[in-house]
Amino acid sequence: SQQGEEDPQALSIQEGENATMNCSYKTSINNLQWYRQNSGRGLVHLILIRSNEREKHSGRLRVTLDTSKKSSSLLITASRAADTASYFCATDHLQGAQKLVFGQGTRLTINP
Amino acid sequence: DTEVTQTPKHLVMGMTNKKSLKCEQHMGHRAMYWYKQKAKKPPELMFVYSYEKLSINESVPSRFSPECPNSSLLNLHLHALQPEDSALYLCASSQGGRMNEKLFFGSGTQLSVL
Repeated sequence: SQQGEEDPQALSIQEGENATMNCSYKTSINNLQWYRQNSGRGLVHLILIRSNEREKHSGRLRVTLDTSKKSSSLLITASRAADTASYFCATDHLQGAQKLVFGQGTRLTINP
Repeated sequence: DTEVTQTPKHLVMGMTNKKSLKCEQHMGHRAMYWYKQKAKKPPELMFVYSYEKLSINESVPSRFSPECPNSSLLNLHLHALQPEDSALYLCASSQGGRMNEKLFFGSGTQLSVL
C-alpha cells in the first residue's frame, strides 16, 4: 500500500514566493526523506528527517515532521525558476524491511 | 566521485529483443537498487542488492533479470518485454546495507518497447 501521500498534487506560484508541500503517511516510521526530480531525470536527495526530529533546515529548505499527525511539510522559501520540479516524500516502515516507499509527488511550477 | 552512472540514456527495443541496462557507482556503497517509473508517477522499487546479494525482489516478472557482478556494478537484463514495460528505469545506491538510507540516483534509462 502507498505509504506517503502528497498534497497538493500540483502547485504553481510566482518566483520569489514560498512553496509549501505536505506529505502524510499511515504507519510509524524511522525516517522521512524528501527528493526532487527534474523532468525525465533522476531523483536528488534533499533532506532526511528522523522520527525523533521535528524540524530541519538546508539552505532555502525547511522540513517539519509531526509524528502524532503522521505528516511532514517541505517549505521552499524565495522560490526560483530552477526550483520547478516534482517533489517526492519517501518513508520507511518502523518494522520489517524498512525499504523506502515514495509518495505520489507534488509538481511545482515557478513562474518567472 | 559522487555519481551513479547509467547507460544507455535511451533505449528502444522490440518485444523479441534482449538488452541490458547498466549502472555503476564508485562511492563504495553497499546497496544498489532498480526502480521503475512511469510518467507522472512515483518510482516503484523492483530489486535491491545488499552486499552484492539480492535481498528484495518486488515480485517483478522474470522478463526482468538483475545481476550484480561486483559491488560497483548493477545490470538489468531485459528479454521479451511488453509495451507496458516502457518507462524510466532508475538505478540508485546507498552507503550501507540498510534500505532506508539516503539514496543516490542515476539519471535513468528511458526505455521504449515497441
